[in-house]
Formats: sequence, C-alpha cells, structure tokens
Amino acid sequence: QSALTQPASVSASPGQSITISCTGTTSDVGSYDLVSWYQQHPGKAPKPIIHVVTKRPSGVSNRFSGSKSGNTASLTISGLQAEDEADYYCCSYAGGSTLLFGGGTKLTVL
Amino acid sequence: QVQLVESGGGVVQPGGSLTLSCGASGFTFSDYAMHWVRQAPGKGLEWVTMIWYDGTNKFYADSVKGRCTISRDNPKNTLYLQMNSLRAEDTALYYCVRGDSSTWRLDNWGQGTLVTVSS
Repeated sequence: QSALTQPASVSASPGQSITISCTGTTSDVGSYDLVSWYQQHPGKAPKPIIHVVTKRPSGVSNRFSGSKSGNTASLTISGLQAEDEADYYCCSYAGGSTLLFGGGTKLTVL
Repeated sequence: QVQLVESGGGVVQPGGSLTLSCGASGFTFSDYAMHWVRQAPGKGLEWVTMIWYDGTNKFYADSVKGRCTISRDNPKNTLYLQMNSLRAEDTALYYCVRGDSSTWRLDNWGQGTLVTVSS
C-alpha cells in the first residue's frame, strides 16, 4: 500500500492558522473514521494529538483540531505558536488490522 | 507512568538477523495490543507490525511480511521483533508503541532503537 499523501511542508506566522491535508483512498481514510495525527519534534518520539478524526487526548491544546471529508482528513492548528514547529503525520486504519501513515509534513513557524 | 524501553538495535550485515526487545512498565501489558513502527533516517514513519493483547493474532506490513516476526511474553512484560533477511532499506529507528484497540490510536511510544543494515 502507498503512503497517505500529505504536503511536504507548510509555513505560517505566529498567531495564524494552518491546515494540513492527508489524502488516502476508499480503502483507508474514506472507509474508516480511524484517522489519527502525530506531532514529532526533532530527535523525539511522535506524540499523539488527534484520534478518531476529531478527538484530542487529554493535555493536548484545543488549538489542534481534526476533520475528514471523503478520502481526505485534515489537521488544523490555530493561533500558531513557535512550539508548534514540528513534523506532523497522519495515520489511518487500512483494514486487515493494518495501519498506514502519511509521508509527513514539516511545519515551519516563521 | 507508561514506559516503553527498546533494546537490541545495532549494525548487521545484509541478509543477517536481529531481535529487538521492548520492556513495558506502568500499565497492564497484557491488556494492550502492541505495535512496532519504524523511521528511516530523515524519513517518515512506517507501520511495521502489531500483535493482539494476548498474542493470538499478528499482522504485518507487506514490506516485512515473511521476514519479521512479532511476539510477546506477557508475564515478562516484553515485546519482541525478530527480523531476518535484513536489507539496507530496513535501516531505521524502531519504535515500540502501545495501541488502543478501539480507536487504533498509537498512544504511547518508546524512544526507539536504531537498526543499521550495512556491510
């Protein structure tokens, strides 16, 4: 299976909002509301920030939100802060008890 | 708190074998599915394999199917990944990850152990 498609990079200034898309197929994103998102700072392990498309784990800022339409899931970060600069990965259940990650998006806070 | 500590990484020649271990603490290990996720240097995340909470079912990415075996020892709170016929493209940081079976969220990650396949 091919990786889910994410933009390689996005950038914005502090205080602005950005949206990262994650496009799959009818075999993964389009068939299951089991999309999660992970934040990874350099040299660190990934941290879950969204699961089942829209839910935030406790402790994750409400500036992070998720949505899905058809075969595309999206992560929106509002009120950008310097600490949000990181790599972001989407991940979808892909049937047969397997998972599929996106290629990752590097967020730069200008 | 949940802790996952990987070990067993190292340098191995192409065609060689390696077994990774992951010691778990801070939660009831036998209640959770467990995964291995890898990340090649400078690249993205790749899901590798998962095992049910009781070890009865195992699933693999196509890229490692037939070459890797996931297993667990619940009384020892330990997860394993046996890797055979290693290739250069298996070079990566391998993360041990706890999974939530209802949401398929990967909710706790170790710090990873590095596997380098090189002659």
